[in-house]
Amino acid sequence: GAVVSQHPSWVICKSGTSVKIECRSLDFQATTMFWYRQFPKQSLMLMATSNEGSKATYEQGVEKDKFLINHASLTLSTLTVTSAHPEDSSFYICSARASGGNRQTSPDTQYFGPGTRLTVL
Amino acid sequence: EDKVVQSPLSLVVHEGDTVTLNCSYEVTNFRSLLWYKQEKKAPTFLFMLTSSGIEKKSGRLSSILDKKELSSILNITATQTGDSAIYLCAAFYNQGGKLIFGQGTELSVKP
Repeated sequence: GAVVSQHPSWVICKSGTSVKIECRSLDFQATTMFWYRQFPKQSLMLMATSNEGSKATYEQGVEKDKFLINHASLTLSTLTVTSAHPEDSSFYICSARASGGNRQTSPDTQYFGPGTRLTVL
Repeated sequence: EDKVVQSPLSLVVHEGDTVTLNCSYEVTNFRSLLWYKQEKKAPTFLFMLTSSGIEKKSGRLSSILDKKELSSILNITATQTGDSAIYLCAAFYNQGGKLIFGQGTELSVKP
């Protein structure tokens, strides 16, 4: 239980193009999903919090227009990196917080997807 | 400003050694402390600690929270090369479910 998937697992794109990353909770409903980025040898940095049906809340320093987040359903959130540049190359990880608790999920933690490695040439 | 600090930042040991990783936090609206292990991909969950003084155990790993000292430790006994990873601790907020991560401790276990 509590499986989160991300697609794609890796992507290489040219500078100036947009890339969409999907995050899905496969066996539970998630009212809240989170997007992180991680540079090599560094910890996870929260980019934004996404609640189903409402606008995402971005952390300080994260450009809303560059990193578009949509959370259209209780099991899907998407992150679109618009007009990507080489400095956007990073490991992007999503996580989901379960709407409620049961034998397999707890609302007191986040369940992480496997991550998406983005390389912008 | 809320923060989570881990120490040491990196550690090299030999198989069979016991290690203790430290995590301290200063977080308003604290709910729980989580430990994760990260190898090549995204973090995998190890422990969630909510109550002070109650040890959680899973095989050779154990962890405990001290709410008075605002800290937690993660112990690994009889380390194996497969324990080599980055260990992350994170404070879970009471509202909104946000996590704030420490810098991580990079553990390397040599044969």
